[in-house]
Amino acid sequence: QVQLQESGPGLVKPSETLSLTCTVSGYSISSGYQWDWIRQPPGKGLEWIGTIHHSGRTYSNPSLRSRVTISVDTSKNQFSLKVNSVTAADTAVYYCARGADADYWGQGTLVIVSS
Amino acid sequence: DVVMTQSPLSLPVTLGQSASISCRSSQGLVHSDGNTYLSWFQQRPGQSPRRLIYRVSNRDSGVPDRFSGSGSGTAFTLKISRVEAEDVGVYYCMQGSHWPRTFGQGTRVEIK
Repeated sequence: QVQLQESGPGLVKPSETLSLTCTVSGYSISSGYQWDWIRQPPGKGLEWIGTIHHSGRTYSNPSLRSRVTISVDTSKNQFSLKVNSVTAADTAVYYCARGADADYWGQGTLVIVSS
Repeated sequence: DVVMTQSPLSLPVTLGQSASISCRSSQGLVHSDGNTYLSWFQQRPGQSPRRLIYRVSNRDSGVPDRFSGSGSGTAFTLKISRVEAEDVGVYYCMQGSHWPRTFGQGTRVEIK
């Protein structure tokens, strides 16, 4: 069974960098698929952030692209998200998911941006 | 960006009755590989999204057959037959055919 698990700090100060990791079990990232980051501000809808292929090729939402970095570590079967220069508007539950069909999701991790 | 427009945004339903949610895309969703990456997700209160339907009409394992997806081109529908109390939540469509991937606004299903 494929499982995804997000991890990282739950509180980030404004103007700093948000860093999250998604650990995948039950499937090797090296075997394929694209691996996505998605977020959901409290009480709002879903926003797609970006994706990375196991080869390292990435694509990010143009609305966030200048602040987003997505990377992969196939040796640890993990992929990561960094969002720099965060503001309160980046407060959200952050999810990782697999592929264009988004068949598997993590349970999500709440990140609050506050001083 | 491909805009995904869901309607209605709120859907009160009587137990045992059927419900339909529309999702319209601003452009066609056929990917260059021939697949149409249109998925439907259910998000129950306090939970992460759960995929119900993928590639327009394929039901995920474990999803009751009360849920069905249909459509083509730019118009897609999720139908829930015989709504049950456990179906309460917010439903989202998502397209994965074009960059960036985009979601509909969500449709809140509640019991009358």
